[in-house]
Amino acid sequence: DIQMTQSPSSLSASVGDTITIACRASQSVSGYLNWYQQKEGKAPKLLISWISSLQSGVPSRFSGSGSETEFSLTISGLQPEDFATYYCQQGYSSSWSFGQGTKVEV
Amino acid sequence: EVQLQESGGGLAQPGGSLRLSCEASGFTFSDFWMHWVRQVPGKGLVWVARIDSGGRSATYADSMKGRFTISRDNAKSTLFLQIDGLRAEDAALYYCAREYYGFWSGYYLDQWGQGTQVTVSS
Repeated sequence: DIQMTQSPSSLSASVGDTITIACRASQSVSGYLNWYQQKEGKAPKLLISWISSLQSGVPSRFSGSGSETEFSLTISGLQPEDFATYYCQQGYSSSWSFGQGTKVEV
Repeated sequence: EVQLQESGGGLAQPGGSLRLSCEASGFTFSDFWMHWVRQVPGKGLVWVARIDSGGRSATYADSMKGRFTISRDNAKSTLFLQIDGLRAEDAALYYCAREYYGFWSGYYLDQWGQGTQVTVSS
């Protein structure tokens, strides 16, 4: 299985901050890299697919970048509703996998 | 409206079996590949398995091979996960999710259920 490693595991930020979460794959996943947001007690929600394709309804302050094995999620101007846990996920191999998550806290 | 509703979780003994179900509605179930993802409370998401739209091909996470079986009944729009030889570490919230493919947006999980909780204890 392809291993996905996120950093940091958690971070503290304030409303209005710009933050970046990194995600590294153990081998190339081409463009098959997605980002999800999960709030406490809720199912995950897809934010970004194909490295940087923003899903309908997702605010433009979210952006994704990267290639092959190194990827990042940036939130420009954190809003109160953005405090959550974020996961990267690869869909390149037949066995999918998630990163361990990054919790964004106040 | 797309809905995925899991059921079948509960308390099971170590070594026992459980069959989880996920009933789909609001879309043509037989057109989509489906997945199971699990999450221990307070921990991260762990991908478990996926199955193709026709139910002929299944793939599992390496750590899930042997005791987990994913299957589906397209006539009943229902996805299943059979877990045999339950272990304490199988205790988790199990989500079913729909795989979507977009030509310019790749493969991803676009719809999720609310999960069914599995507890393993004697």
